Amino acid sequence: LAKTTQPISMDSYEGQEVNITCSHNNIATNDYITWYQQFPSQGPRFIIQGYKTKVTNEVASLFIPADRKSSTLSLPRVSLSDTAVYYCLVVMTTDSWGKLQFGAGTQVVVTP
Amino acid sequence: SQTIHQWPATLVQPVGSPLSLECTVEGTSNPNLYWYRQAAGRGLQLLFYSVGIGQISSEVPQNLSASRPQDRQFILSSKKLLLSDSGFYLCAWKGRAPNTEAFFGQGTRLTVV
Repeated sequence: LAKTTQPISMDSYEGQEVNITCSHNNIATNDYITWYQQFPSQGPRFIIQGYKTKVTNEVASLFIPADRKSSTLSLPRVSLSDTAVYYCLVVMTTDSWGKLQFGAGTQVVVTP
Repeated sequence: SQTIHQWPATLVQPVGSPLSLECTVEGTSNPNLYWYRQAAGRGLQLLFYSVGIGQISSEVPQNLSASRPQDRQFILSSKKLLLSDSGFYLCAWKGRAPNTEAFFGQGTRLTVV
């Protein structure tokens, strides 16, 4: 099982870039890396997913080094509404296929 | 389009009473289905997941159980609730391919008194 480790919390100011790094040292060859965002009293929402190198969408960028043992979620120019918990997940394709395990997540607090 | 329905939104139950939370998915077939619980200020704890009708994998046995009587229906149950069962319960579905995203229901806030 590819366990993930990410910082418990991060603080930022509006307009800054926030980078959250997640380590997943025992990720398997075909596993995917996925990030979700959760606001209080809501279910998590998908942000971005990648397998290797860099992925960018309208919300964030995901950087994955060649060894895939870590990944970094980059939120450009955050606003107050980006205050949320961010989860890094490894979606397994072999053992325990189908299992979707969330870690503790990173609480990001954006202040003016 | 795909939608997920979870009800009720809030529930207050006495200790020792039974529980039944239902989740249904529309607009897709053969989804993976999930039940999570989240205590206040904590992360999501995976309770059960299912990759097919009648196939349930349990992560937290305790006094909870899950069933999948139909392809797009997932039920979380308990015969006797404990105070520690209080929390925010979330149902989710995901396509079978690994590179698909999961979609969550609106959640059920359960308070056991």
